[in-house]
Amino acid sequence: SAVISQKPSRDICQRGTSLTIQCQVDSQVTMMFWYRQQPGQSLTLIATANQGSEATYESGFVIDKFPISRPNLTFSTLTVSNMSPEDSSIYLCSVGTSGRATNEQFFGPGTRLTVL
Amino acid sequence: GENVEQHPSTLSVQEGDSAVIKCTYSDSASNYFPWYKQELGKRPQLIIDIRSNVGEKKDQRIAVTLNKTAKHFSLHITETQPEDSAVYFCAASVYQAGTALIFGKGTTLSVSS
Repeated sequence: SAVISQKPSRDICQRGTSLTIQCQVDSQVTMMFWYRQQPGQSLTLIATANQGSEATYESGFVIDKFPISRPNLTFSTLTVSNMSPEDSSIYLCSVGTSGRATNEQFFGPGTRLTVL
Repeated sequence: GENVEQHPSTLSVQEGDSAVIKCTYSDSASNYFPWYKQELGKRPQLIIDIRSNVGEKKDQRIAVTLNKTAKHFSLHITETQPEDSAVYFCAASVYQAGTALIFGKGTTLSVSS
């Protein structure tokens, strides 16, 4: 499976600021996904990031709040904008296995965000 | 869109017992059903998956069964061990590369020795 890294691993931020989370993969992948996991909860899909096109957002998530970049096939960023304490969560990127008809997905280690 | 229900939310068993976690899904187009294990403070790890052309799949102590007619699938862990203690998530999606997963709410499994 692909090796996935995320930066930062954790951060504590002030209300009203923004944080950009990076996701790096050691191989080229077509699709990358961003999930949010609130404390003690399940994983909720924020958006699907396709290289060379606009990200597709799920209901309840908007581009102004969670802008996403996907400049190439190994990298993506998620920005959490104008943060509030309700944004305190773990943010995870995931990638699908590329090159064959499969939907196995693997997760990065996550970014633990605390907003004060 | 797809909706995945998962039960129970918590499950406590004695070491050596079996554990069963059940999920139902709503979208008949879904045909790929993975299970993830998440230990405290760690990322979800894919432990087993099943595609809709198969009714059952086994991997050592874990197995997954699928009933497409009833739209439900289950995770079975036999001979549980303390290291099986974790949160388990089921998910559903359409089986093609690039389709996002929709997750159930998770089951916290506790195995006591």
